[in-house]
Amino acid sequence: DTGVSQDPRHKITKRGQNVTFRCDPISEHNRLYWYRQTLGQGPEFLTYFQNEAQLEKSRLLSDRFSAERPKGSFSTLEIQRTEQGDSAMYLCASSIGTYNTEAFFGQGTRLTVV
Amino acid sequence: DAKTTQPNSMESNEEEPVHLPCNHSTISGTDYIHWYRQLPSQGPEYVIHGLTSNVNNRMASLAIAEDRKSSTLILHRATLRDAAVYYCILSPTGNTPLVFGKGTRLSVIA
Repeated sequence: DTGVSQDPRHKITKRGQNVTFRCDPISEHNRLYWYRQTLGQGPEFLTYFQNEAQLEKSRLLSDRFSAERPKGSFSTLEIQRTEQGDSAMYLCASSIGTYNTEAFFGQGTRLTVV
Repeated sequence: DAKTTQPNSMESNEEEPVHLPCNHSTISGTDYIHWYRQLPSQGPEYVIHGLTSNVNNRMASLAIAEDRKSSTLILHRATLRDAAVYYCILSPTGNTPLVFGKGTRLSVIA
């Protein structure tokens, strides 16, 4: 297993377009997290899944954002009607999900909205 | 979420020890102290975590104050590869998602 994989690594889109990102977690990990990071800031939590169930969503996650993890394996994050303020690095992480285990992060998808 | 306070930046010479401080005066009895770091253009990576006792691993040591209101991440010999943003995070019981602050940007000088 090569770790958490995110695709694409970079995405440039025009304002108003929809974009979708994919995250493949480490295979035996049942928890999957999405974060967003802007320049000079730490990662901000967006949402997380335990298997296929979405357990928590941050208030940062507007109704233009939706995340799925249909079979408890890979996950997708979709942003509809993108805005320039959505430009950021989108990070995915996974963990085994037991008490206080480490989270493994992917390298992220950098979104630029022009 | 309990908050942590870290210096914005620190500088170290290569091959010297580095002590990265973190204050968490409102820590609760069940909060674990986690450290992650983020190298340039990478996602964060786990460094170490602990509850009450000092911890050592191959990357670093974690020294936790007796009252648990502060902790220090110790890199025994800084290398250029250790230049990164270091995040100190409190994780409540139940494995809730990590909440990152701004961290400390460590620069290592050759």
